[in-house]
Amino acid sequence: GESVGLHLPTLSVQEGDNSIINCAYSNSASDYFIWYKQESGKGPQFIIDIRSNMDKRQGQRVTVLLNKTVKHLSLQIAATQPGDSAVYFCAESGPDSNYQLIWGAGTKLIIKP
Amino acid sequence: NAGVMQNPRHLVRRRGQEARLRCSPMKGHSHVYWYRQLPEEGLKFMVYLQKENIIDESGMPKERFSAEFPKEGPSILRIQQVVRGDSAAYFCASSLYRGGQPQHFGDGTRLSIL
Repeated sequence: GESVGLHLPTLSVQEGDNSIINCAYSNSASDYFIWYKQESGKGPQFIIDIRSNMDKRQGQRVTVLLNKTVKHLSLQIAATQPGDSAVYFCAESGPDSNYQLIWGAGTKLIIKP
Repeated sequence: NAGVMQNPRHLVRRRGQEARLRCSPMKGHSHVYWYRQLPEEGLKFMVYLQKENIIDESGMPKERFSAEFPKEGPSILRIQQVVRGDSAAYFCASSLYRGGQPQHFGDGTRLSIL
């Protein structure tokens, strides 16, 4: 999920396969992490979140993994469906400003039929 | 059961005009956050408001931009004397508690400056 410049990283996945979207976060003091899904023309939609006292959290078809050692976050989507096509953003916040989400650049997920 | 409502969805202004963006938080939420998004980028925090109070405006430009969240009615993000660089999508989020997570987002206002 990290990117510089103007072009979003893109991940193409076959329908039915699992997707893994990665994100490198910037602040080792961040203690809250969240994944959002954004479809074209819409606002970000909450997917799953995790606090720094955990390294894994599961939801429905989604799993978030947190590796604090290397400041890495990943989102795994099981059995990817066409409706999963979107841009996925990770965001972090720290103890000093827990409402001020710092957003990554996003990863565009494309589902191949 | 309504989520965060933003209007208008699209707003076109000429340089030098004023833009007013409105946000009604989720029912029962009294904390509102405004973000700005440029194409193919993540959101950037602008301001955090509680009813009748600005809690944190550290992400807001010092000039031309202002925000309010009155006791009654929606939160307003106001941009005076708009310039081309103000073109962006502006999103509002709300939460139940101070700094509460997750924040719930509206579908944004797309501002275009001619």
